[in-house]
Amino acid sequence: DGGITQSPKYLFRKEGQNVTLSCEQNLNHDAMYWYRQDPGQGLRLIYYSQIVNDFQKGDIAEGYSVSREKKESFPLTVTSAQKNPTAFYLCASKMTRPGGYNSPLHFGNGTRLTVT
Amino acid sequence: AQSVTQPDIHITVSEGASLELRCNYSYGATPYLFWYVQSPGQGLQLLLKYFSGDTLVQGIKGFEAEFKRSQSSFNLRKPSVHWSDAAEYFCAVDPNAGKSTFGDGTTLTVKP
Repeated sequence: DGGITQSPKYLFRKEGQNVTLSCEQNLNHDAMYWYRQDPGQGLRLIYYSQIVNDFQKGDIAEGYSVSREKKESFPLTVTSAQKNPTAFYLCASKMTRPGGYNSPLHFGNGTRLTVT
Repeated sequence: AQSVTQPDIHITVSEGASLELRCNYSYGATPYLFWYVQSPGQGLQLLLKYFSGDTLVQGIKGFEAEFKRSQSSFNLRKPSVHWSDAAEYFCAVDPNAGKSTFGDGTTLTVKP
């Protein structure tokens, strides 16, 4: 079955360390997204990529970085510059062709990052 | 910029009772509208979507939603709630630019 795989499900890091969250999809979707979810705040967009080797900042990109070297993969690095990194991180993808961007998002099951 | 408001943070209903979750959006034109559901510790799953045409859309698990342009609303309904419907529900708007904006969510508790 096609889907999005996020790993690991739980991640623990010490303050000051960079950490990379994995996101892989086999849906053949062009666009991929990273969202951060905090209690009571819904989902906030960190970065998104509409095509390989290209990505754009979302609403809360500071302290994060991404790469998109392959269509299937969109890893997110949480750097030591992110002031409050403890959160639930969700990766998503969507089909953008041939119908455009009106297709829904497909989500992975998330990674819960705890930084102490 | 678009925005989405879900006025109810938490709703409790009895099993078998009807349900309505409210969603209001702000956007200059008619956007693409979605409802997603999230179980604890999981990702989001699409319930239904509205693009154009019939303003009453049917989704999975017996849910439906009605688009009302005059009220900028897209409320989610279910005639009879089951205990397995307990979850968090998110309304989202996408203005066809690839960037969905989500409401803050409504947590549904189902009483036996």
